[in-house]
Amino acid sequence: DAGVTQSPTHLIKTRGQQVTLRCSPKSGHDTVSWYQQALGQGPQFIFQYYEEEERQRGNFPDRFSGHQFPNYSSELNVNALLLGDSALYLCASSSDGQETQYFGPGTRLLVL
Amino acid sequence: LAKTTQPISMDSYEGQEVNITCSHNNIATNDYITWYQQFPSQGPRFIIQGYKTKVTNEVASLFIPADRKSSTLSLPRVSLSDTAVYYCLVGDMVDTGFQKLVFGTGTRLLVSP
Repeated sequence: DAGVTQSPTHLIKTRGQQVTLRCSPKSGHDTVSWYQQALGQGPQFIFQYYEEEERQRGNFPDRFSGHQFPNYSSELNVNALLLGDSALYLCASSSDGQETQYFGPGTRLLVL
Repeated sequence: LAKTTQPISMDSYEGQEVNITCSHNNIATNDYITWYQQFPSQGPRFIIQGYKTKVTNEVASLFIPADRKSSTLSLPRVSLSDTAVYYCLVGDMVDTGFQKLVFGTGTRLLVSP
């Protein structure tokens, strides 16, 4: 049973570019949440998707957007990249109504 | 703003029991307490979750007093591989009924030989 998977594992972009990160939830899970983790900090909630809709959003600008597909996989898009967007981006999946979220290994994004 | 307070770091030796206490004075009635472990450049890993009293699994124990304003994660007989950051989280149930995990800065545990 595969856990949460994310791709790519690492990514280097330059300022102003756009990036798309991908996540496949754990088998049986239908809810996907995205988090940003800066170096030395705890993960910060970006948004959560359920039934292909954004259900809740954290304190992130509109440059951060997402999508959930019918198979429950999800994408995180970041436009007009800034240096400060450099971070580990984590995807977590869960089953709607259940508290426990399971995290993927993350995508390390470096913006130059 | 994080809803929890925990020590920034702790040191221990192999074979010892480690107890990490977390304060959550404003915990709500519907909130659960969850602990995650994170190794460098990896996603957090769920350790244990509880609502009240004591919960035990194959990895750890979680002690929650009656007032639920704090909780203690207990790791029995730690090994070098338990060196990690440990996060205490309190469930943040919004109107839609789902949980948005709110992480603090965690406790960095260093286990030495």
